[in-house]
Amino acid sequence: GESVGLHLPTLSVQEGDNSIINCAYSNSASDYFIWYKQESGKGPQFIIDIRSNMDKRQGQRVTVLLNKTVKHLSLQIAATQPGDSAVYFCAEKGQYTGANSKLTFGKGITLSVRP
Amino acid sequence: DAMVIQNPRYQVTQFGKPVTLSCSQTLNHNVMYWYQQKSSQAPKLLFHYYDKDFNNEADTPDNFQSRRPNTSFCFLDIRSPGLGDAAMYLCATSRGTAGYGYTFGSGTRLTVV
Repeated sequence: GESVGLHLPTLSVQEGDNSIINCAYSNSASDYFIWYKQESGKGPQFIIDIRSNMDKRQGQRVTVLLNKTVKHLSLQIAATQPGDSAVYFCAEKGQYTGANSKLTFGKGITLSVRP
Repeated sequence: DAMVIQNPRYQVTQFGKPVTLSCSQTLNHNVMYWYQQKSSQAPKLLFHYYDKDFNNEADTPDNFQSRRPNTSFCFLDIRSPGLGDAAMYLCATSRGTAGYGYTFGSGTRLTVV
């Protein structure tokens, strides 16, 4: 079946270092990917997205890389800050048509930033 | 600011007592979703509305129902909550089928006693 998964359940980084969070997906027809950040007791917060016609997209301190050959997605956070501590989810959307538009979420990975 | 608002933030209900969670949006998005998220797990889609068209996920229990009286509001009704229904319930919206602007509310934490 189709799945979106994260390689590691937790990631601990030193404040100021760069963080890389990886995600694998299995649906080769996926055409849209999103990274979300979820802090405790809050809803997922959009970080950055990328479409399948791109392999890299940059935001403020974040970069998403997409490798369609190996169906791999990564989120890079530059100069990680304590406020980046949260659970991160990748999500993918397949090529649904008509009235269907939904995301499939991978398992979350907890990012812990050490002071 | 345009947003997705969920009320209440915390809801306690008795086992078997019907409960309704609400979601409103000022984004004028035509698609609204309800997700269930249990501790340390990814959000799981229960159902969504595309305009007035209701789309139920195959594995969503009959105990869960939804209503969308207008573009701005969507409700999640749990007819007979069980202990296993305790979770965070997330509402989300998006513009159309491409999924652009997918936005989540802050969620309602449901406790069943």
